Amino acid sequence: ETGVTQTPRHLVMGMTNKKSLKCEQHLGHNAMYWYKQSAKKPLELMFVYNFKEQTENNSVPSRFSPECPNSSHLFLHLHTLQPEDSALYLCASSQGPGAGVVETQYFGPGTRLLVL
Amino acid sequence: QKEVEQNSGPLSVPEGAIASLNCTYSDRGSQSFFWYRQYSGKSPELIMSIYSNGDKEDGRFTAQLNKASQYVSLLIRDSQPSDSATYLCAVNMMGYQKVTFGTGTKLQVIP
Repeated sequence: ETGVTQTPRHLVMGMTNKKSLKCEQHLGHNAMYWYKQSAKKPLELMFVYNFKEQTENNSVPSRFSPECPNSSHLFLHLHTLQPEDSALYLCASSQGPGAGVVETQYFGPGTRLLVL
Repeated sequence: QKEVEQNSGPLSVPEGAIASLNCTYSDRGSQSFFWYRQYSGKSPELIMSIYSNGDKEDGRFTAQLNKASQYVSLLIRDSQPSDSATYLCAVNMMGYQKVTFGTGTKLQVIP
């Protein structure tokens, strides 16, 4: 256990559905991240939040909508996804900027998403 | 050119042997280097981090960094079947949060 939890662990949704992924970290970190991991491709950074403010959006389509109500919780709202969005979605956290140390990221278990 | 390049493998080694995993990176400004292990269907787990040229040892694992050659490696001594996984190399610039990952090398340790 890394101290980062994600729910649900598996999700199947149709292209017209709306669903949300949830991430919670118990590490006292101030930065949280969403990554997408597709087969045969490197981990792709999607969003970065520092102190609950979004600081990076890596050209992610608007059908993915993140929300960070506080430094411990991160959501990814999904709407009208495409089959090519099927992937493992990973949440991570780190101490955050100004901590004076290297930003080592700790990953949650991921949500395996299948879009039909 | 890929930002972080790894041989996808699979790399097969017999149990008890040394497994050598290699990674090259393109950004000379990179200052922090990480090795993550990812079992099939699981999330990446941090194994080692290294920031200075040379070797860093932790148990059976040794990370090696050569910034001049833009090369980082991971050696696993006395390889065990439980080491069979995909190993991800990741780099970033000190103080920045964007970590760039390689596609990973799949390691198979044969009993």
